[in-house]
Amino acid sequence: DAKTTQPTSMDCAEGRAANLPCNHSTISGNEYVYWYRQIHSQGPQYIIHGLKNNETNEMASLIITEDRKSSTLILPHATLRDTAVYYCIDGSSGGYQKVTFGTGTKLQVIP
Amino acid sequence: NAGVTQTPKFQVLKTGQSMTLQCAQDMNHNSMYWYRQDPGMGLRLIYYSASEGTTDKGEVPNGYNVSRLNKREFSLRLESAAPSQTSVYFCASIPPWNTEAFFGQGTRLTVV
Repeated sequence: DAKTTQPTSMDCAEGRAANLPCNHSTISGNEYVYWYRQIHSQGPQYIIHGLKNNETNEMASLIITEDRKSSTLILPHATLRDTAVYYCIDGSSGGYQKVTFGTGTKLQVIP
Repeated sequence: NAGVTQTPKFQVLKTGQSMTLQCAQDMNHNSMYWYRQDPGMGLRLIYYSASEGTTDKGEVPNGYNVSRLNKREFSLRLESAAPSQTSVYFCASIPPWNTEAFFGQGTRLTVV
């Protein structure tokens, strides 16, 4: 069973910010929050990760609540190429052997 | 820099046939993983290798074997394919500091 919960699907208008939520109800203190996306059944692509602080890179921003029980991935200006399935996962520094990829959120960017 | 390369990209097998899925990475990573993804589902871990010479079972290992041939290569073998093994198989490579995983483009396997 997935350790994180996400909405099944979301729509976003092209050029607007896409805010994808995730609940991490069982995350432990040493686990990171990771976000990946999968476009057209290609291999998943890493987006961003964080532990406690908010993070930003060239692809997205990650907001983590103070209790770390939820996170939000923000794509600031969504494009049609951002249409994909987005996965949030809890990962430890010990590797991915206990990581569970759920079914993710299908983000549809609408022209 | 090719990253993670999987071969073949597509394969159709008859029930009972065997085959080996190949995965190679050129990033000098220690850890490599094999996942399967069924339609509409998330990825499920089949086997992983934390370092050269070691392999461990994941969530769904039955019907599969693996070989960590060297640091670069991690192969997945189906000894007697079954229709239930129809899936997309992904290999991943993870750097020593265990952050982001680098995935291959997948092998789409159909067992008829």
